[in-house]
Amino acid sequence: AQKITQTQPGMFVQEKEAVTLDCTYDTSDPSYGLFWYKQPSSGEMIFLIYQGSYDQQNATEGRYSLNFQKARKSANLVISASQLGDSAMYFCAMREGGTSYGKLTFGQGTILTVHP
Amino acid sequence: GAVVSQHPSRVICKSGTSVKIECRSLDFQATTMFWYRQFPKQSLMLMATSNEGSKATYEQGVEKDKFLINHASLTLSTLTVTSAHPEDSSFYICSAFRDRGDEQYFGPGTRLTVT
Repeated sequence: AQKITQTQPGMFVQEKEAVTLDCTYDTSDPSYGLFWYKQPSSGEMIFLIYQGSYDQQNATEGRYSLNFQKARKSANLVISASQLGDSAMYFCAMREGGTSYGKLTFGQGTILTVHP
Repeated sequence: GAVVSQHPSRVICKSGTSVKIECRSLDFQATTMFWYRQFPKQSLMLMATSNEGSKATYEQGVEKDKFLINHASLTLSTLTVTSAHPEDSSFYICSAFRDRGDEQYFGPGTRLTVT
């Protein structure tokens, strides 16, 4: 079974508008962390935001916020005021506790294109 | 912040030869490093977990004799692709995990092309 699912292969957004990238996850471990990374065409992985399973509040980092709905097992990334430089591939990832501590499982990714 | 480097950034080799990729943590000691493989427009797939001073743990389906991993020090892990073939052409990314509770820091990746 897929542990991390990103159902949007591609998304388009107009510059300065907000966009939501979807991510659902599956785990039976009560302790886990959810990450979002941006990968531009250069290939580097850029860390954007982190949400821990026990965090009470949704994480925010500048223009990035994570809409964490634990009961629905979803961790959507919201990018506000999109910029042309936001065009990239975005990955949702999960780190589970226990023996696999540290190992990340990635979703399929979403290619975001920001139009001027 | 923490920096992880990879060398080389790009390599082209002939089929049947071996290629070594280095992953270094530049300003911290990495007890654990991970090696990922990524095909164009696809996700990152974990190949193996590299622990300093011990054998690497390979993911299911990854040939340990083909992808040799050595984590000889707390700042260096190497991935050697032995007897490379065109199907091994891919983007290889390492990440370094400093300590429990910390995030992973990714290297810039190595693009391998086997001709």
